Amino acid sequence: SAVISQKPSRDICQRGTSLTIQCQVDSQVTMMFWYRQQPGQSLTLIATANQGSEATYESGFVIDKFPISRPNLTFSTLTVSNMSPEDSSIYLCSVATGPNEQYFGPGTRLTVT
Amino acid sequence: GQQVMQIPQYQHVQEGEDFTTYCNSSTTLSNIQWYKQRPGGHPVFLIQLVKSGEVKKQKRLTFQFGEAKKNSSLHITATQTTDVGTYFCAGPPGGYQLIWGAGTKLIIKP
Repeated sequence: SAVISQKPSRDICQRGTSLTIQCQVDSQVTMMFWYRQQPGQSLTLIATANQGSEATYESGFVIDKFPISRPNLTFSTLTVSNMSPEDSSIYLCSVATGPNEQYFGPGTRLTVT
Repeated sequence: GQQVMQIPQYQHVQEGEDFTTYCNSSTTLSNIQWYKQRPGGHPVFLIQLVKSGEVKKQKRLTFQFGEAKKNSSLHITATQTTDVGTYFCAGPPGGYQLIWGAGTKLIIKP
């Protein structure tokens, strides 16, 4: 398993602004993922953060809106840009340490007003 | 595209009653995983099933993987308040990504 921390744990932001969420892992991992989860809903994969290359985005998510950095094997950031109230959600990072099972950070609860 | 359907969406039980959630995939899965998310928490990995017909137990939890590797179930015997949360199944379409079921929320009636 892996211990994952996320910052900030929550934030309230004004529309039109941007927020960068950090994800730190206590060990080197190959695969890191960013998810969005609306309250009471399932998880939606935003992108796979690739170390040393551009992130791979899922359908419906674009780099201009959700730029991702992955400077090394223990750290990644997700930026939510030009926010609107529809971006209010919980954002989760996860890592895969073995064949498929994933371990999650505690999440960032974002409210956009 | 590949889909993982999970039912029911909610299940209300009295403490001590059993609970079951079911997952069905539109395609054969190489494995299926189960996660638990407590209220206000993040998903926590419970178990992975890989083999056709596999059955695994964790105390009061029993996990099954269908013979065709397209369906799975989680059964909890004699639920306790600590079991409250949402249970998700997830399967890989390929590589390290996962396709997630909608989740089943276990609610203990007061």
